[in-house]
Amino acid sequence: LAKTTQPISMDSYEGQEVNITCSHNNIATNDYITWYQQFPSQGPRFIIQGYKTKVTNEVASLFIPADRKSSTLSLPRVSLSDTAVYYCLVGDMGDSGYALNFGKGTSLLVTP
Amino acid sequence: KAGVTQTPRYLIKTRGQQVTLSCSPISGHRSVSWYQQTPGQGLQFLFEYFSETQRNKGNFPGRFSGRQFSNSRSEMNVSTLELGDSALYLCASSLSQGAKYEQFFGPGTRLTVL
Repeated sequence: LAKTTQPISMDSYEGQEVNITCSHNNIATNDYITWYQQFPSQGPRFIIQGYKTKVTNEVASLFIPADRKSSTLSLPRVSLSDTAVYYCLVGDMGDSGYALNFGKGTSLLVTP
Repeated sequence: KAGVTQTPRYLIKTRGQQVTLSCSPISGHRSVSWYQQTPGQGLQFLFEYFSETQRNKGNFPGRFSGRQFSNSRSEMNVSTLELGDSALYLCASSLSQGAKYEQFFGPGTRLTVL
């Protein structure tokens, strides 16, 4: 199971772009990279997922370099409501099952 | 479509007791995973069930167990409760097993062990 490393915390001002980088040096060929967001007293919520290159949806972009040993979640023009914990996960879809370890994530604080 | 539901939402137990938590996945979802969340350790994987079979297990003692029923509903049991078991227990369901499938989380059960 690939281990991930991401910053414990980040601060940003409203309206700025926030980039959170996750390292996953031993990512396997079949592994997908997924990001979740969690607000206090709620379960995590899926943000975005990718395998390689760049993926964009209505809330975020995910950049994955060619070697796939890291990934960057980009949140454009953050608002106060983006204050949350962000988790980077790497896991495969093998038939033997999987264990998605969320760890402690990155705590993002957005201030006015 | 109804989301993932967990019961009870809050629970207070004393050391040595046992507890059973319930999770009803989204209709059509066959995979159910359980997680423990504490301030110190973050969100840790407990186990995952798919088609009534435990497919993967995290690094937790045997006091933590679970099962899945034919309708995909799942229960988690913790025996001989310890103070350190106080945590938010989250259940997540997905269409199938594998990291490719988005996990949908329930609101959690807040367990307090006194």
